[in-house]
Amino acid sequence: AAGVIQSPRHLIKEKRETATLKCYPIPRHDTVYWYQQGPGQDPQFLISFYEKMQSDKGSIPDRFSAQQFSDYHSELNMSSLELGDSALYFCASSSYRAGHNEQFFGPGTRLTVL
Amino acid sequence: KQEVTQIPAALSVPEGENLVLNCSFTDSAIYNLQWFRQDPGKGLTSLLLIQSSQREQTSGRLNASLDKSSGRSTLYIAASQPGDSATYLCAVSWVNKFYFGSGTKLNVKP
Repeated sequence: AAGVIQSPRHLIKEKRETATLKCYPIPRHDTVYWYQQGPGQDPQFLISFYEKMQSDKGSIPDRFSAQQFSDYHSELNMSSLELGDSALYFCASSSYRAGHNEQFFGPGTRLTVL
Repeated sequence: KQEVTQIPAALSVPEGENLVLNCSFTDSAIYNLQWFRQDPGKGLTSLLLIQSSQREQTSGRLNASLDKSSGRSTLYIAASQPGDSATYLCAVSWVNKFYFGSGTKLNVKP
């Protein structure tokens, strides 16, 4: 079965640079979520999209923005990167229309800011 | 804001034991609750989903229960195996927003 795809899997950036993370949800899933997981921490909800519209917002810094495109893939744009942004970034997708909203996670993008 | 707590934070048991992981949440107005497994440096694997109208779900050696009124869920693992060693996370949702607990790190000794 198709899973959530994230790219790149690893990314190394310098401070103050910009990064773009991509997420391709499971086919026919209508909702995408972004999470940030720091070392030894639980995943922190950043933002979600339902049918290409922003649905909910969590602890997403103003330096970050995200969108969902017409093909349902989503991109998380991170600007003015800081050392503290180094983390695992997960994307998850679900089908709200299916009635249960079970989340399926991608393998994550490991971002290292030097 | 929803607060999710998992107890214990870490657990070490010999192979073959039955064990219970606990998850509590402060706001009973949840849409569903999901249990995940995470191996070090890896993504999250969905184990069980309990919708707000359900009381429990079972999958193989795993059984999860939900008591919304008391804000509690338990994950029961029967006949634990070394391959079960991982961090187990519970997450509660209100529509499209999910809150995670800090996880229980399980070590099953051969």
